[in-house]
Parts: sequence; C-alpha cells; structure tokens
Amino acid sequence: DAGVIQSPRHEVTEMGQEVTLRCKPISGHNSLFWYRQTMMRGLELLIYFNNNVPIDDSGMPEDRFSAKMPNASFSTLKIQPSEPRDSAVYFCASSLNRRAQETQYFGPGTRLLVL
Amino acid sequence: AQTVTQSQPEMSVQEAETVTLSCTYDTSESDYYLFWYKQPPSRQMILVIRQEAYKQQNATENRFSVNFQKAAKSFSLKISDSQLGDAAMYFCAYRRAQGAQKLVFGQGTRLTINP
Repeated sequence: DAGVIQSPRHEVTEMGQEVTLRCKPISGHNSLFWYRQTMMRGLELLIYFNNNVPIDDSGMPEDRFSAKMPNASFSTLKIQPSEPRDSAVYFCASSLNRRAQETQYFGPGTRLLVL
Repeated sequence: AQTVTQSQPEMSVQEAETVTLSCTYDTSESDYYLFWYKQPPSRQMILVIRQEAYKQQNATENRFSVNFQKAAKSFSLKISDSQLGDAAMYFCAYRRAQGAQKLVFGQGTRLTINP
C-alpha cells in the first residue's frame, strides 16, 4: 500500500515567492492534516479536513497561508508571499475518522527553506 | 487546552539494554488516545504504539510497551533490548476521542543507543 505522498521533498525559495506544497493521502482515508515542525515551536497542527471540508484552521499562522482539498486524493498548502520564518518541515498526515482507526499516518515531509 | 510534556530532552542507553521514556499530559477529557511516534534522522514520523484511554491493559508492540497510568496522566514508553536502529527522536502525542482530531505533541526526547 502506498503511504501518504508529499511533494516536493525539498524546496528552496526566495523571500516573497509563492510556495505550493502537495499531498496525496492514503486511499480511503477521509481526514487529512497539515502539520509544521520547527525547532522553536515543535510539531503543530496548521489545518485539517474531514471529507474534503476544512474543519479547524486555527493553526494557520496568517493570511499568507492557505490550504485546499479539491477532492479526496489531493490537497495543497500554499504560502504567498513566503518569508524566512516560514522555513520548516511541513508534514501531511491522513487517517480514517472512525473509532479504533483514527491513527494518523504521516508523509515524509517537505523541508522548506526560504532565503 | 490539552498539553503534553516530555521532561527528558535526551536519553541514552547501551545496546541490548532497556530504556524508559517519560510523558505526562493534561486533559479534562475521559476518552482519548495516546501515541508514541519515532522520528529518525530521515525525519519520517513513524507510529510506534497507540493506547486507548478506556482500555486498562497496556499496549505492547514487540520490544515496545507502554505504562499507562490514567489517574496520574502518565504514558511512558519502554524499549526492551535496545537496537542501534532505535536511535531517533521520540514524540508522545494526545488526541481527543470526540471532537477535535488534531494531535497534540510533546517536545520530544532524543534517544541515543551506545554500541
């Protein structure tokens, strides 16, 4: 079974540029999560979707961040314009929103560096 | 708000020995899940073990087991017969059973295995 797929794996960009991170969840999963990992703040949830609908976006830092899930097999996280403080590892995770099957499985992450 | 605390930033153990990583959490909920994730240098987040709060029996997965003390809000991870491949960051995480699905992570414990 394919796990959660993220692209790109590494991204280096310059301040002010638009960055788009992509995620394909595990087939059949109906919940998708975007997390960010930094040294200062650790792992924190940015946003999550149930059945393609955003449920909680309270972790999205500011208006420069946006996320979409146009269908059950694809999601994007966009940063526009990017800033050096956005440098982090961004993880996508998916799960089934069902009792005893709620474990979240993580993708390999995207390491973003904004210069 | 729920919080997760890992009080040991770093731990080390001799190969083949046993080590215990500590985790405490704070919640007013009675039904929830607890997880341990492993993050090796590749940065992939790998599920090690999960525990459902309504189950009194401690979870085990091969060499990994937990000591779940619900009243004390403690959830420690024991690794038996430590192997070099166990070297990684270990994160404890909490998730409510109802409502918000996000994982709340601890700060992590870096485990070193000495040959």
